[in-house]
Amino acid sequence: DIQMTQSPSSLSASVGDRVTLNCRSSQSIGSYLNWYQQKPGKAPRLLIYAASRLQSGVPSRFSGGESGTDFTLTISSLQPEDFATYYCQQSYSTPYTFGLGTKLEIK
Amino acid sequence: EVQLVESGGGLVRPGGSLRLSCAASGFDFSYYSMNWVRQAPGKGLDWVSSISSSSGYIFYADSVKGRFTISRDNAKKSLYLEMNSLRAEDTAIYYCASLASRQGHYYFDYWGLGTLVTVSS
Repeated sequence: DIQMTQSPSSLSASVGDRVTLNCRSSQSIGSYLNWYQQKPGKAPRLLIYAASRLQSGVPSRFSGGESGTDFTLTISSLQPEDFATYYCQQSYSTPYTFGLGTKLEIK
Repeated sequence: EVQLVESGGGLVRPGGSLRLSCAASGFDFSYYSMNWVRQAPGKGLDWVSSISSSSGYIFYADSVKGRFTISRDNAKKSLYLEMNSLRAEDTAIYYCASLASRQGHYYFDYWGLGTLVTVSS
């Protein structure tokens, strides 16, 4: 199975900050990488698919990047509604594995 | 508006069985692969099973293989998960999620609100 490792596990930041969340796959997965946002008590929401493509309706302050087996999710200017947990997920092969998440908290 | 509504969760004893359902509306259900993804309390997301649009391809996580069975009824726009030999570690919120495909890339685009399964004596 492909393992997905996210870092950091938690991050404190302030409104207006630029933050970058990291995700690494245990083997090459091309661009088959998706990012989701989840708020407490809610279902996950797709933000980015194919490593860098913004899902319809997602604000442009979210962007995705990739370099080999390393992937990033960047939020250019944090808004109050962005404090949540973020998960990466590979869709290269089943089982579709997720990272353990990065919890983004208000400083 | 796309809606996925799960039902069938509840409290069950170890070794017991449960059948989850997911009712879909607002999109062409019969063209989508559908999935179950679960989340144990306070934990991350864990993919459980996938079924293709015509039920021709079915996949399971190793942790549930041989115990869970995924199925669908396109006429009823419904997805199911039959869960047998349940264990404490199956305790989780179970989400129904559609798997979209664009230019060869797959992603879970719509999710239900989930249904809680608790396995405990």
